[in-house]
Amino acid sequence: EVQLVQSGAEVKKPGESLKISCKGSGYSFTTYWIAWVRQMPGKGLEWMGIIYPGDSETRYSPSFQGQVTFSADKSISTAYLQWSSLKASDTAMYYCARLYRSSSGSDYWGQGTLVTVSS
Amino acid sequence: QSALTQPASVSGSAGQSITISCTGTSSDVGGYNYVSWYQQHPGKAPKLMIYDVSNRPSGVSNRFSGSKSGNTASLTISGLQAEDEADYYCSSYTSSSTQVFGGGTKLTVL
Repeated sequence: EVQLVQSGAEVKKPGESLKISCKGSGYSFTTYWIAWVRQMPGKGLEWMGIIYPGDSETRYSPSFQGQVTFSADKSISTAYLQWSSLKASDTAMYYCARLYRSSSGSDYWGQGTLVTVSS
Repeated sequence: QSALTQPASVSGSAGQSITISCTGTSSDVGGYNYVSWYQQHPGKAPKLMIYDVSNRPSGVSNRFSGSKSGNTASLTISGLQAEDEADYYCSSYTSSSTQVFGGGTKLTVL
């Protein structure tokens, strides 16, 4: 069974760093892309970008370029989304999702990680 | 890149059909046959309903169908059921080699 299991909710202060994870199982982790999607409270979905765990190729949406970093550790089938300095406006639910090509739909999704940034 | 344009809300009675539009540009919707549609119930992760404009993943009801004309893609739901009430999002591959979502449409089943 294909599963993407994300790390738990986080509460952080502005300026702190954070790395959340997405662990894939039940499929070949290195042959599918992983997308990261933001959903701010009460708002719509926003495409942040994708990473290909096979070679760690990354593609960021312009709005998120330079604001976050994607990485992956294929030895443990885990993708990561990282911030170096959080802002209150980063408060949101973050989803990871699997794609079989960079242009395809995302057929499996993680349960989401809620990130709250507040002083 | 700007979000794709969807109506904020649509409604229909149980058993009827509705269509949700998704308008982009020649750099996204119009330029590629890579439009997907997602259903999201409150507090849940999105679920893929349509991919590559008109293909349904295994397990998705054939009451859901997709199409595209020019820069506008459409999702049609026939035989509306109470459980179809949800938010729906379109997404498209873009000329920047990323994807972009629509703003979302809230479907109310009357």
